[in-house]
Amino acid sequence: ETGVTQTPRHLVMGMTNKKSLKCEQHLGHNAMYWYKQSAKKPLELMFVYNFKEQTENNSVPSRFSPECPNSSHLFLHLHTLQPEDSALYLCASSQGSLAGAWDTQYFGPGTRLTVL
Amino acid sequence: AQSVAQPEDQVNVAEGNPLTVKCTYSVSGNPYLFWYVQYPNRGLQFLLKYITGDNLVKGSYGFEAEFNKSQTSFHLKKPSALVSDSALYFCAVRDGAGANNLFFGTGTRLTVIP
Repeated sequence: ETGVTQTPRHLVMGMTNKKSLKCEQHLGHNAMYWYKQSAKKPLELMFVYNFKEQTENNSVPSRFSPECPNSSHLFLHLHTLQPEDSALYLCASSQGSLAGAWDTQYFGPGTRLTVL
Repeated sequence: AQSVAQPEDQVNVAEGNPLTVKCTYSVSGNPYLFWYVQYPNRGLQFLLKYITGDNLVKGSYGFEAEFNKSQTSFHLKKPSALVSDSALYFCAVRDGAGANNLFFGTGTRLTVIP
């Protein structure tokens, strides 16, 4: 799991707080992803970045704001969240479109978010 | 539209017995299929993938999966289960005719009983 790191691993925040999740990949990849994992539900793709450009926003509420300053770093800025936003937030990276059909995503350990 | 079904929420198997975790898929174009495993408090770890070629794919930790186009299935198998294989397993598909995104199943919890 050292290929993709995420901080913090656990986060508890109130509904009025502002916090950020950080993801860093050390694999030389060009694409990065944010997923939300809730119990008994499929992983929900939130955002995709290819070469620092956002290529997918899966109808995510504006209280989640992604930032990708370079191909190695990805942030998820959080503000005025709701209790139903409590979940495991997973970051992933891959070679992206350059790998074609063989593109494989590698995941970080996740941030367990609890919104009170 | 792409979708993945993992029909079993929970699979129990005795240590040393063969295990199977089931997955079926639906895509418009050619399916690119993946299996991931998630241990407690960890992210998803890549196990294996099918893109093209031999229908039997071998992956990490002794796992393998068989692509069956007529049954639209990609079941994960291991000849002899270990207690350490107990984890949550996810099947995922990418549609060769569509965008580059993965679609995941809801996961199957495998418990290997000593």
